Amino acid sequence: GAGVSQSPSNKVTEKGKDVELRCDPISGHTALYWYRQSLGQGLEFLIYFQGNSAPDKSGLPSDRFSAERTGGSVSTLTIQRTQQEDSAVYLCASSLRASGSYNEQFFGPGTRLTVL
Amino acid sequence: AQSVAQPEDQVNVAEGNPLTVKCTYSVSGNPYLFWYVQYPNRGLQFLLKYITGDNLVKGSYGFEAEFNKSQTSFHLKKPSALVSDSALYFCAVRDIGNTGGFKTIFGAGTRLFVKA
Repeated sequence: GAGVSQSPSNKVTEKGKDVELRCDPISGHTALYWYRQSLGQGLEFLIYFQGNSAPDKSGLPSDRFSAERTGGSVSTLTIQRTQQEDSAVYLCASSLRASGSYNEQFFGPGTRLTVL
Repeated sequence: AQSVAQPEDQVNVAEGNPLTVKCTYSVSGNPYLFWYVQYPNRGLQFLLKYITGDNLVKGSYGFEAEFNKSQTSFHLKKPSALVSDSALYFCAVRDIGNTGGFKTIFGAGTRLFVKA
């Protein structure tokens, strides 16, 4: 079956503009995660969803970042008034469910965001 | 808070030699531990996990990891390295957040170079 997909694969934007990043999880996966990976660095947790609710938003770097998930499927990460430090690869992952988080995560290819 | 540490930024090994990538963790309860690999220009892939049971866990591509509770370690190993094993390796641990939710905390990553 299809894996996790993300769009766009690359996004170049100007400082101050808003961007939306999309994630389509694997069908049947109720848990969805967003991470940020700066060049050559580790993964920074942003937020996760169990179904449509986000029990843990502690990783969002600022109030310019928000995310939603509808229908227990597609998720959108929105960054408002982008800054150059927002430039990174944004990774999405899904798993069967979060509460049984011994389930491994399946990652999408990422969206490379460049803020000029 | 739960955490995971990868003390080595980089590991160099000759092809055919055994390799070890180190990981130590800190958790308040029973640890759920994972290894993921990121090949160049490819997404993160799950390698193996420890939930319970046998301390030696076998995973994909000939990798294995040994859970050591007394040393709070979960080192990744392979008896004979291949050049194609060169990649970025991440250790991860399940974290129970303040909201009672669950998220996975990733280490900073260790870059493995296997020389022919």
